Amino acid sequence: DSGVTQTPKHLITATGQRVTLRCSPRSGDLSVYWYQQSLDQGLQFLIQYYNGEERAKGNILERFSAQQFPDLHSELNLSSLELGDSALYFCASSVVHGELFFGEGSRLTVL
Amino acid sequence: QKEVEQDPGPLSVPEGAIVSLNCTYSNSAFQYFMWYRQYSRKGPELLMYTYSSGNKEDGRFTAQVDKSSKYISLFIRDSQPSDSATYLCAMSDGTASKLTFGTGTRLQVTL
Repeated sequence: DSGVTQTPKHLITATGQRVTLRCSPRSGDLSVYWYQQSLDQGLQFLIQYYNGEERAKGNILERFSAQQFPDLHSELNLSSLELGDSALYFCASSVVHGELFFGEGSRLTVL
Repeated sequence: QKEVEQDPGPLSVPEGAIVSLNCTYSNSAFQYFMWYRQYSRKGPELLMYTYSSGNKEDGRFTAQVDKSSKYISLFIRDSQPSDSATYLCAMSDGTASKLTFGTGTRLQVTL
């Protein structure tokens, strides 16, 4: 158990809909990262927050947004969903650069 | 061309074999190199973390970095069925928060 909690584990929705994925980092970790994993692209960095502030942005679509709350949990919002958004979405937290602790992921299926 | 290339496998070896997993990369600014292991339906977990060139050993695992060739390797000695997983290399230049991952090599260790 990495100590990072993600909900929901599975989500099935329709195109055009909006979903919210939630992440609770390890106790004491201030950094939260979001990654998308698909079969053909592997793990792609989306966005990082540090203590409530956006720290780095990767290949995150404009339809996607995230935030980190004062209690350090984070939410990833995905809107106007398309079939191609079907993937595993991972949250990770860290204290030391490069040493990421990943949650078990949220599997999103868009029909 | 991707920044990090990794053979997707699958790689099938008998129990007890020495396994060699490799990644090549194109960004000469990468300084930090990691190997993550991902079991089916789980999040990746950090196995090895190295800085710059050289070798690092941890039990049955040895990580090698050759920056001149832009090539990193992970060796697993005395492989066990429990080593069956997908192995992802990851790297960063240390200045950016994100890690760049390979697409992963699926390893199957058979009895």
